[in-house]
Amino acid sequence: GEDVEQSLFLSVREGDSSVINCTYTDSSSTYLYWYKQEPGAGLQLLTYIFSNMDMKQDQRLTVLLNKKDKHLSLRIADTQTGDSAIYFCAESNFGNEKLTFGTGTRLTIIP
Amino acid sequence: DTEVTQTPKHLVMGMTNKKSLKCEQHMGHRAMYWYKQKAKKPPELMFVYSYEKLSINESVPSRFSPECPNSSLLNLHLHALQPEDSALYLCASSRGNRDTEAFFGQGTRLTVV
Repeated sequence: GEDVEQSLFLSVREGDSSVINCTYTDSSSTYLYWYKQEPGAGLQLLTYIFSNMDMKQDQRLTVLLNKKDKHLSLRIADTQTGDSAIYFCAESNFGNEKLTFGTGTRLTIIP
Repeated sequence: DTEVTQTPKHLVMGMTNKKSLKCEQHMGHRAMYWYKQKAKKPPELMFVYSYEKLSINESVPSRFSPECPNSSLLNLHLHALQPEDSALYLCASSRGNRDTEAFFGQGTRLTVV
């Protein structure tokens, strides 16, 4: 079945850039997503990328996709304390019909 | 209104109880989802409703029974649960089940004692 992997923890100084990485195994993945989950809350969709793209930028967020290596990354520029959360990457073949989530990366901001 | 509202926020129930989780959205979305999230784990899909019909059941035990009374409401009926069913239950909705943006509720934190 599909497998999506992330490193569990990342600590970044306030104002620096954060880069969260994700690898996936399903070569037929069509959409790749980044979700943010704050403590005790639901998931917030940050951005998504279609598999025929290699980059997408949205304000402080930059998504890079290396389809050959099945590697996805999320860069957050000028990281702020409000960015502290768990970040999940997810993949699907058909939009939201069946999302497979990664293990989540807990981002901690160092003042 | 881009909200998915789940009630209750917290629920403690015994193994012989029957309870229901509720989810509501007024965005006109026609696909609704139940996910289960254990502590320190990613969410796992349980059920998908598309146009008020159950389209995906991820081999969920029958002690979990979903219901979609209309396009705005999604329920999850719980009966004879086990302590290992304790988790955060997340509801989500999207315009269609192949739409690229799903909106999640805040979840119901369920504890089975």
